[in-house]
Amino acid sequence: QKEVEQDPGPLSVPEGAIVSLNCTYSNSAFQYFMWYRQYSRKGPELLMYTYSSGNKEDGRFTAQVDKSSKYISLFIRDSQPSDSATYLCAMKAGANNLFFGTGTRLTVIP
Amino acid sequence: EPEVTQTPSHQVTQMGQEVILRCVPISNHLYFYWYRQILGQKVEFLVSFYNNEISEKSEIFDDQFSVERPDGSNFTLKIRSTKLEDSAMYFCASSEGANANTEAFFGQGTRLTVV
Repeated sequence: QKEVEQDPGPLSVPEGAIVSLNCTYSNSAFQYFMWYRQYSRKGPELLMYTYSSGNKEDGRFTAQVDKSSKYISLFIRDSQPSDSATYLCAMKAGANNLFFGTGTRLTVIP
Repeated sequence: EPEVTQTPSHQVTQMGQEVILRCVPISNHLYFYWYRQILGQKVEFLVSFYNNEISEKSEIFDDQFSVERPDGSNFTLKIRSTKLEDSAMYFCASSEGANANTEAFFGQGTRLTVV
């Protein structure tokens, strides 16, 4: 199933770097886009939620959606070691089930 | 802070055995879900449940799987005759509603190992 594609990484960055995480998708019916953070041995935790195209900012995190390109991004500014986790993109069409990417494992090195 | 709890955290079972994975959703939530994640693969939707019946299920959720809300608090996933390929992390989730902008809260998962 290749509806949502995400580079699995791993991605290692120094503390303070800007991190860019991306997903592409093929289903044009997707309208709701989410980023989840998953720590080891834990369930996914919702970080950001965006409807349709545009940007959304929450503290150090910015989510972008470009529906024309079927491309979503998550930017993390001033990355911290505590940001080290796996980041999952997820999306859905209406009130349906979530389609996840494979997740990108991020390590922020102090 | 309310959370979804799952038990056990790790279950090892022999191929062909039945397993029941248990979940306690957040108390005021009405919609419940099971997802699974095979090691190294995507989190995949299995089933959603509302008002004591399945509202949606994926191709993965075949006759070997069933869900139940046996009482007012628990939500269970049963696999009747486990196969090696059922080995995965199983996540339960719940949400207040099924609206598109309603957040689903995930439990920390049950790691199922079929040997």
